[in-house]
Amino acid sequence: NAGVTQTPKFRVLKTGQSMTLLCAQDMNHEYMYWYRQDPGMGLRLIHYSVGEGTTAKGEVPDGYNVSRLKKQNFLLGLESAAPSQTSVYFCASSYSLGRATTDTQYFGPGTRLTVL
Amino acid sequence: GENVEQHPSTLSVQEGDSAVIKCTYSDSASNYFPWYKQELGKGPQLIIDIRSNVGEKKDQRIAVTLNKTAKHFSLHITETQPEDSAVYFCAASRNQAGTALIFGKGTTLSVSS
Repeated sequence: NAGVTQTPKFRVLKTGQSMTLLCAQDMNHEYMYWYRQDPGMGLRLIHYSVGEGTTAKGEVPDGYNVSRLKKQNFLLGLESAAPSQTSVYFCASSYSLGRATTDTQYFGPGTRLTVL
Repeated sequence: GENVEQHPSTLSVQEGDSAVIKCTYSDSASNYFPWYKQELGKGPQLIIDIRSNVGEKKDQRIAVTLNKTAKHFSLHITETQPEDSAVYFCAASRNQAGTALIFGKGTTLSVSS
C-alpha cells in the first residue's frame, strides 16, 4: 500500500513551457486535491475533485488545469509556466465510501517545481 | 471564507520541555481541526485531529484542545524530543463533500538537546 505518490519529484521549466504533474493513490479514495506550498504561506488549494470525471476550483486556480479520468489519478497541468508558479506542489486524497467522515486527508511527498 | 491564524511562527524549546502552538479560525461552521507535521523534504503527515463535539484529545505526548466559543484550538507536545523538530500546521474545515482544508501558515519547532 503506497498511499499517495507523486511524479516527478523535481522539475525545472523555462517560462512558457508546459508540464503535467501526476498524482496517484491506492486507497480507493473518492476525493483528491492539489495544493501549493510557498514559504510563509502554508498550503493553498489549487483544484480538487470529488469523483472520477469531476473537478472544481480551489483558492488559487489561475494558470492551472486538472483532470480526473481515473479514480486513482489526479493530474495537474501548467499550460504556460510562469516564475510565479515556482513552488512545491502537494497532492492529497481523502474519503472512502462507507466511512462516516470525509475529511481526513493524506498527502503525497510533493513535487518541487522551479520556473526560470 | 475560512481564515486560520497560527502562532507562533517559530518556537525553540529544550529537550524535555513542553511546546504549545495556537490557532484561531473565523468560520463558526468549521467542525474538523487536524494538525499536520512536516519534516524537511516530505509531505505533511497527520498527527492528531479533533472534531467539534470533543473538547480535548490525547495521543501519548500529543494533545489538542478546542474552544468552539472562542474559535481557537491548540496543540500541546509534552516531553519534547529532537525528533519532534519539524514544521507544524493547523487546519480547519467543514465536514462537507470535497471541502478543502484551510491551513495556518505553520510553526517551525526546534527542539535542542
